[in-house]
Amino acid sequence: DGGITQSPKYLFRKEGQNVTLSCEQNLNHDAMYWYRQDPGQGLRLIYYSQIVNDFQKGDIAEGYSVSREKKESFPLTVTSAQKNPTAFYLCASSAGQGTGELFFGEGSRLTVL
Amino acid sequence: RKEVEQDPGPFNVPEGATVAFNCTYSNSASQSFFWYRQDCRKEPKLLMSVYSSGNEDGRFTAQLNRASQYISLLIRDSKLSDSATYLCVVNGRSGNTPLVFGKGTRLSVIA
Repeated sequence: DGGITQSPKYLFRKEGQNVTLSCEQNLNHDAMYWYRQDPGQGLRLIYYSQIVNDFQKGDIAEGYSVSREKKESFPLTVTSAQKNPTAFYLCASSAGQGTGELFFGEGSRLTVL
Repeated sequence: RKEVEQDPGPFNVPEGATVAFNCTYSNSASQSFFWYRQDCRKEPKLLMSVYSSGNEDGRFTAQLNRASQYISLLIRDSKLSDSATYLCVVNGRSGNTPLVFGKGTRLSVIA
Protein backbone atom coordinates (compact mmCIF):
# COMPACT_ATOMS: atom_id res chain seq x y z
CA ASP A 1 0.00 0.00 0.00
CA GLY A 2 1.22 3.50 -0.79
CA GLY A 3 1.74 5.92 2.02
CA ILE A 4 4.07 7.82 4.28
CA THR A 5 6.04 6.17 7.03
CA GLN A 6 7.49 8.10 9.93
CA SER A 7 9.82 6.67 12.52
CA PRO A 8 10.24 6.46 15.37
CA LYS A 9 6.71 6.97 16.65
CA TYR A 10 7.92 7.95 20.11
CA LEU A 11 11.34 9.33 20.97
CA PHE A 12 12.92 10.53 24.16
CA ARG A 13 16.12 12.48 24.24
CA LYS A 14 18.22 14.37 26.69
CA GLU A 15 18.82 18.07 26.38
CA GLY A 16 21.76 18.90 24.15
CA GLN A 17 21.37 15.86 21.89
CA ASN A 18 20.54 15.98 18.21
CA VAL A 19 17.90 13.59 16.96
CA THR A 20 16.83 12.65 13.42
CA LEU A 21 13.26 11.79 12.50
CA SER A 22 12.73 9.65 9.44
CA CYS A 23 10.09 10.20 6.77
CA GLU A 24 9.71 7.93 3.75
CA GLN A 25 6.99 7.99 1.08
CA ASN A 26 6.21 5.63 -1.79
CA LEU A 27 3.54 7.81 -3.38
CA ASN A 28 5.96 9.22 -5.98
CA HIS A 29 5.17 12.71 -4.70
CA ASP A 30 7.49 15.56 -5.56
CA ALA A 31 6.75 17.73 -2.53
CA MET A 32 7.39 16.85 1.10
CA TYR A 33 6.86 18.83 4.28
CA TRP A 34 7.61 18.84 7.99
CA TYR A 35 5.17 20.35 10.45
CA ARG A 36 5.30 20.75 14.18
CA GLN A 37 2.21 20.67 16.40
CA ASP A 38 2.09 21.69 20.05
CA PRO A 39 -0.84 20.85 22.36
CA GLY A 40 -3.94 22.81 21.43
CA GLN A 41 -2.15 24.45 18.54
CA GLY A 42 -2.31 24.24 14.80
CA LEU A 43 0.35 22.89 12.49
CA ARG A 44 3.37 25.09 11.91
CA LEU A 45 5.62 24.56 8.90
CA ILE A 46 9.28 23.79 9.63
CA TYR A 47 10.76 22.97 6.21
CA TYR A 48 9.50 21.87 2.85
CA SER A 49 10.96 20.48 -0.35
CA GLN A 50 9.39 20.65 -3.76
CA ILE A 51 12.10 18.75 -5.62
CA VAL A 52 15.08 16.54 -4.89
CA ASN A 53 18.20 18.35 -3.67
CA ASP A 54 16.24 21.50 -2.86
CA PHE A 55 14.35 22.65 0.23
CA GLN A 56 13.06 25.87 1.77
CA LYS A 57 12.60 27.13 5.30
CA GLY A 58 9.13 27.33 6.68
CA ASP A 59 7.88 29.57 9.46
CA ILE A 60 9.85 27.96 12.31
CA ALA A 61 13.06 26.54 10.78
CA GLU A 62 15.46 27.69 13.50
CA GLY A 63 17.03 24.74 15.30
CA TYR A 64 16.09 22.24 12.60
CA SER A 65 17.79 20.87 9.49
CA VAL A 66 16.67 18.68 6.60
CA SER A 67 18.00 16.97 3.50
CA ARG A 68 16.35 15.72 0.33
CA GLU A 69 18.83 13.43 -1.39
CA LYS A 70 16.14 11.06 -2.65
CA LYS A 71 12.62 11.71 -3.83
CA GLU A 72 11.11 9.32 -1.32
CA SER A 73 13.01 10.48 1.77
CA PHE A 74 12.95 13.73 3.77
CA PRO A 75 14.59 13.32 7.20
CA LEU A 76 14.37 16.04 9.83
CA THR A 77 17.11 16.66 12.39
CA VAL A 78 16.15 18.41 15.59
CA THR A 79 19.35 20.01 16.81
CA SER A 80 20.40 21.08 20.27
CA ALA A 81 19.83 24.66 19.12
CA GLN A 82 16.06 24.11 19.15
CA LYS A 83 14.99 25.58 22.47
CA ASN A 84 11.65 23.82 22.89
CA PRO A 85 11.82 20.61 20.88
CA THR A 86 9.15 18.63 22.75
CA ALA A 87 6.29 18.38 20.24
CA PHE A 88 4.39 16.21 17.78
CA TYR A 89 6.16 16.18 14.40
CA LEU A 90 4.23 15.45 11.24
CA CYS A 91 5.64 14.68 7.82
CA ALA A 92 3.49 15.09 4.74
CA SER A 93 3.72 14.85 0.99
CA SER A 94 1.75 16.09 -1.98
CA ALA A 95 1.71 15.58 -5.70
CA GLY A 96 1.16 19.27 -6.33
CA GLN A 97 3.21 22.18 -5.07
CA GLY A 98 1.10 24.04 -2.59
CA THR A 99 -2.27 23.30 -4.05
CA GLY A 100 -2.88 19.61 -3.72
CA GLU A 101 -4.07 17.36 -0.96
CA LEU A 102 -1.52 16.62 1.75
CA PHE A 103 -0.97 13.04 2.86
CA PHE A 104 0.39 12.71 6.37
CA GLY A 105 2.44 10.13 8.20
CA GLU A 106 1.31 9.01 11.64
CA GLY A 107 3.67 11.44 13.33
CA SER A 108 6.62 11.27 15.70
CA ARG A 109 6.21 12.37 19.28
CA LEU A 110 9.46 13.78 20.66
CA THR A 111 9.97 14.38 24.36
CA VAL A 112 13.06 16.06 25.72
CA LEU A 113 13.90 15.02 29.24
CA ARG B 1 -5.00 39.57 10.27
CA LYS B 2 -3.81 35.97 10.61
CA GLU B 3 -3.58 33.95 7.40
CA VAL B 4 -6.22 31.45 8.47
CA GLU B 5 -8.48 31.98 11.48
CA GLN B 6 -10.91 29.63 13.13
CA ASP B 7 -13.00 29.71 16.28
CA PRO B 8 -11.19 27.20 18.54
CA GLY B 9 -14.37 26.07 20.27
CA PRO B 10 -14.99 23.65 21.82
CA PHE B 11 -18.39 23.14 20.29
CA ASN B 12 -20.34 20.73 22.48
CA VAL B 13 -23.45 19.48 20.68
CA PRO B 14 -25.93 16.64 21.23
CA GLU B 15 -26.16 13.73 18.82
CA GLY B 16 -28.34 14.58 15.85
CA ALA B 17 -27.61 18.30 15.98
CA THR B 18 -26.50 20.41 13.05
CA VAL B 19 -23.29 22.35 13.60
CA ALA B 20 -21.45 24.86 11.42
CA PHE B 21 -17.88 26.09 11.49
CA ASN B 22 -16.51 29.13 9.74
CA CYS B 23 -12.96 29.94 8.77
CA THR B 24 -11.60 33.22 7.40
CA TYR B 25 -8.48 33.62 5.28
CA SER B 26 -6.41 36.68 4.49
CA ASN B 27 -4.97 35.97 1.02
CA SER B 28 -7.51 37.00 -1.58
CA ALA B 29 -5.47 35.17 -4.23
CA SER B 30 -5.85 31.77 -2.54
CA GLN B 31 -7.14 29.09 -4.87
CA SER B 32 -7.18 25.89 -2.84
CA PHE B 33 -9.29 25.24 0.23
CA PHE B 34 -9.72 22.14 2.33
CA TRP B 35 -11.20 20.85 5.55
CA TYR B 36 -9.13 18.29 7.42
CA ARG B 37 -10.18 16.24 10.41
CA GLN B 38 -7.76 15.43 13.22
CA ASP B 39 -8.50 12.96 15.98
CA CYS B 40 -6.75 13.29 19.31
CA ARG B 41 -3.03 12.47 19.03
CA LYS B 42 -3.40 11.39 15.40
CA GLU B 43 -2.40 12.82 12.05
CA PRO B 44 -4.79 15.09 10.10
CA LYS B 45 -6.80 13.46 7.34
CA LEU B 46 -8.56 15.13 4.44
CA LEU B 47 -12.28 15.49 5.06
CA MET B 48 -13.16 17.36 1.90
CA SER B 49 -11.94 19.88 -0.61
CA VAL B 50 -13.93 23.10 -0.95
CA TYR B 51 -14.96 24.16 -4.42
CA SER B 52 -16.25 27.52 -5.60
CA SER B 53 -19.68 26.07 -6.26
CA GLY B 54 -19.82 24.40 -2.85
CA ASN B 55 -19.83 20.68 -2.37
CA GLU B 56 -21.58 18.04 -0.31
CA ASP B 57 -20.47 14.64 0.89
CA GLY B 58 -23.16 12.83 2.83
CA ARG B 59 -23.81 14.76 6.03
CA PHE B 60 -21.03 17.25 5.31
CA THR B 61 -21.38 20.42 3.24
CA ALA B 62 -18.56 22.85 2.48
CA GLN B 63 -19.00 26.30 1.02
CA LEU B 64 -16.69 29.06 -0.14
CA ASN B 65 -17.43 32.77 -0.06
CA ARG B 66 -14.66 34.53 -1.97
CA ALA B 67 -16.08 38.02 -1.52
CA SER B 68 -15.93 37.73 2.25
CA GLN B 69 -12.96 35.38 2.24
CA TYR B 70 -14.38 32.63 4.35
CA ILE B 71 -15.17 28.96 4.03
CA SER B 72 -17.67 27.00 6.04
CA LEU B 73 -18.32 23.42 7.04
CA LEU B 74 -21.78 22.20 7.96
CA ILE B 75 -22.32 18.86 9.67
CA ARG B 76 -25.86 17.54 9.79
CA ASP B 77 -27.18 14.82 12.09
CA SER B 78 -24.02 14.78 14.21
CA LYS B 79 -22.69 11.41 15.33
CA LEU B 80 -20.51 10.61 18.32
CA SER B 81 -17.82 9.63 15.83
CA ASP B 82 -17.74 13.19 14.47
CA SER B 83 -15.98 14.31 17.66
CA ALA B 84 -12.62 15.63 16.50
CA THR B 85 -10.76 18.82 15.64
CA TYR B 86 -11.58 20.29 12.25
CA LEU B 87 -8.77 22.13 10.51
CA CYS B 88 -9.31 24.78 7.86
CA VAL B 89 -6.53 24.72 5.25
CA VAL B 90 -5.80 27.29 2.55
CA ASN B 91 -2.96 27.63 0.10
CA GLY B 92 -0.51 30.28 1.16
CA ARG B 93 0.94 33.60 0.22
CA SER B 94 1.44 32.68 -3.41
CA GLY B 95 0.19 29.83 -5.51
CA ASN B 96 3.34 27.77 -5.16
CA THR B 97 3.79 27.90 -1.39
CA PRO B 98 2.68 25.26 1.06
CA LEU B 99 -0.78 25.04 2.51
CA VAL B 100 -1.48 27.03 5.67
CA PHE B 101 -3.42 25.46 8.52
CA GLY B 102 -5.80 27.11 10.92
CA LYS B 103 -5.52 26.13 14.58
CA GLY B 104 -8.64 24.03 14.35
CA THR B 105 -12.10 23.93 15.86
CA ARG B 106 -12.78 21.23 18.41
CA LEU B 107 -16.12 19.45 18.22
CA SER B 108 -17.52 17.18 20.91
CA VAL B 109 -20.73 15.33 20.12
CA ILE B 110 -22.47 14.21 23.28
CA ALA B 111 -24.91 11.32 23.67
